[in-house]
Amino acid sequence: GENVEQHPSTLSVQEGDSAVIKCTYSDSASNYFPWYKQELGKRPQLIIDIRSNVGEKKDQRIAVTLNKTAKHFSLHITETQPEDSAVYFCAAPLKGANNLFFGTGTRLTVIP
Amino acid sequence: NAGVTQTPKFRILKIGQSMTLQCAQDMNHNYMYWYRQDPGMGLKLIYYSVGAGITDKGEVPNGYNVSRSTTEDFPLRLELAAPSQTSVYFCASSYSYRMRYSNQPQHFGDGTRLSIL
Repeated sequence: GENVEQHPSTLSVQEGDSAVIKCTYSDSASNYFPWYKQELGKRPQLIIDIRSNVGEKKDQRIAVTLNKTAKHFSLHITETQPEDSAVYFCAAPLKGANNLFFGTGTRLTVIP
Repeated sequence: NAGVTQTPKFRILKIGQSMTLQCAQDMNHNYMYWYRQDPGMGLKLIYYSVGAGITDKGEVPNGYNVSRSTTEDFPLRLELAAPSQTSVYFCASSYSYRMRYSNQPQHFGDGTRLSIL
């Protein structure tokens, strides 16, 4: 069925290292791919998004890449800091739906 | 702008009680959503609305009801609270330029933490 798969479910990195989280989607017509960060006890917050007419987008230490052919997109965090520790969710619209389908989340832990 | 405002922030209910979770947005968004998030889990869509007077079921609608009489408000009703409905409830909103094409970011409220004992 239509879905968004996210890997890995947990990720631990040393402070200063890079972190990569990957999502795959099933609908080739999907054209919008946001990433949300959720700190413990807080609401999900949009950190970066990309549309299907570009392959990469950067915002300081955060970047998102999109491979439309393979139907996957990835979140890259460079020079990780302890405050990057959170759960990250990817999302995509599927099959003309009126809502976004969210991945199952990745718990990122940055070890000082 | 306040964004998406949810009330209450916390609530404890007894089994069988009913309550309404309030959600209001001041961004003139046409789409609104209700999610639940169980501890350590992802977001599950309960109901959503693409405009005033229009609502539709999401992934886990059983035990809940919604209404959308205005663009700004999207309350979620629990009629007979059950322990399985203990969760954190998030309301979100977005703007879509055309129907059946959700390609804009969703803005979330701070959530309502609900416990049913």
